[in-house]
Amino acid sequence: DAGVIQSPRHEVTEMGQEVTLRCKPISGHNSLFWYRQTMMRGLELLIYFNNNVPIDDSGMPEDRFSAKMPNASFSTLKIQPSEPRDSAVYFCASSLGGQVEQFFGPGTRLTVL
Amino acid sequence: KNEVEQSPQNLTAQEGEFITINCSYSVGISALHWLQQHPGGGIVSLFMLSSGKKKHGRLIATINIQEKHSSLHITASHPRDSAVYICAVSAGAQKLVFGQGTRLTINP
Repeated sequence: DAGVIQSPRHEVTEMGQEVTLRCKPISGHNSLFWYRQTMMRGLELLIYFNNNVPIDDSGMPEDRFSAKMPNASFSTLKIQPSEPRDSAVYFCASSLGGQVEQFFGPGTRLTVL
Repeated sequence: KNEVEQSPQNLTAQEGEFITINCSYSVGISALHWLQQHPGGGIVSLFMLSSGKKKHGRLIATINIQEKHSSLHITASHPRDSAVYICAVSAGAQKLVFGQGTRLTINP
């Protein structure tokens, strides 16, 4: 199995630009999670989906952030407009539902100048 | 006060030493996870437990639900065990709340 796939691995952009991060979960997994990791705040859950439906988006920092899961094999996290404080590593993870182990992607390191 | 507290924040030891990392939490949980993050940044799930003890190779995880406390032990530590170890809890739903991590360095 290829594991959770994220793209791009690195993104450098300027303040005000739109950023789109992509995630392909492990085939057959029905839960998908977006996390953000920073030095100051550590790992935080942004949003998670079950069966392509957003369940909890209370961690999404503000309206500039949006996430979609149009089908079981693809999700996007979009930031528009981006700000320097959005610089972080964004992880996607997937699991086979319920209280089970989560499998993490390699992360996308975002730098907003 | 954070819902999940880990100690120590940093730990340096010599190869071969027995390592213990502690995690305390303040909420009722349905499961506790131990994760490992290597210097390259990738995150791997080590254990998920809701009671008792689990063992995988040289790693052992224990949890005491009444005391709201978990420990991760590494026997015969090796430099390749150097990583950040993260405790996370889920309280009913799948949402994870993370500790701040423990940075472990094993010197040869």
